[in-house]
Amino acid sequence: AQKVTQAQTEISVVEKEDVTLDCVYETRDTTYYLFWYKQPPSGELVFLIRRNSFDEQNEISGRYSWNFQKSTSSFNFTITASQVVDSAVYFCALAPRRYSGGGADGLTFGKGTHLIIQP
Amino acid sequence: KAGVTQTPRYLIKTRGQQVTLSCSPISGHRSVSWYQQTPGQGLQFLFEYFSETQRNKGNFPGRFSGRQFSNSRSEMNVSTLELGDSALYLCASSGTGGGNGYTFGSGTRLTVV
Repeated sequence: AQKVTQAQTEISVVEKEDVTLDCVYETRDTTYYLFWYKQPPSGELVFLIRRNSFDEQNEISGRYSWNFQKSTSSFNFTITASQVVDSAVYFCALAPRRYSGGGADGLTFGKGTHLIIQP
Repeated sequence: KAGVTQTPRYLIKTRGQQVTLSCSPISGHRSVSWYQQTPGQGLQFLFEYFSETQRNKGNFPGRFSGRQFSNSRSEMNVSTLELGDSALYLCASSGTGGGNGYTFGSGTRLTVV
């Protein structure tokens, strides 16, 4: 069985502060994908990043960065110099890579972290 | 490039009725998966279709069913609605599933009264 844990239910910071959202996962699969999604109040899940289990290179995209550590089964997400527009619920998700064509089963989501950026 | 389109956006149904939700994936995407989001259970995987075949199914009762058409559009059906079926239903499309990431629609908010 797969499991994704986002221990932080809600985080509130003042604008321009850095904030890290934690994600810990459990899986018996040797190959898998990890994702982060953002859900604004409108409800749509916005794709932020996908990471293959065999690629532990950290990634930076503008103010966003991701730290993948397979040894601790963690895939943390950091927002640098947060802005009010970053306020949303953020989900970490896991999917096994089972199909030869690179397909995967459904996503297993964490419960989400509600991030509040105060002006 | 058009995104994932879900219709309708909002729906109110009465207990015992059935409902059909529709999802049109991104052009060229062959994988469509469905998720239920509730405050208590969070986001839960319902099922995934690829080239008109159901590839995987989550832990939901048989009242929840789906299908995919030759143009990759998908529908999900919930029969004998219960109050607990009130949720945001999200559809995601992918090229092959997972490897290329999943793009989600805006969802259908179903309220059962």
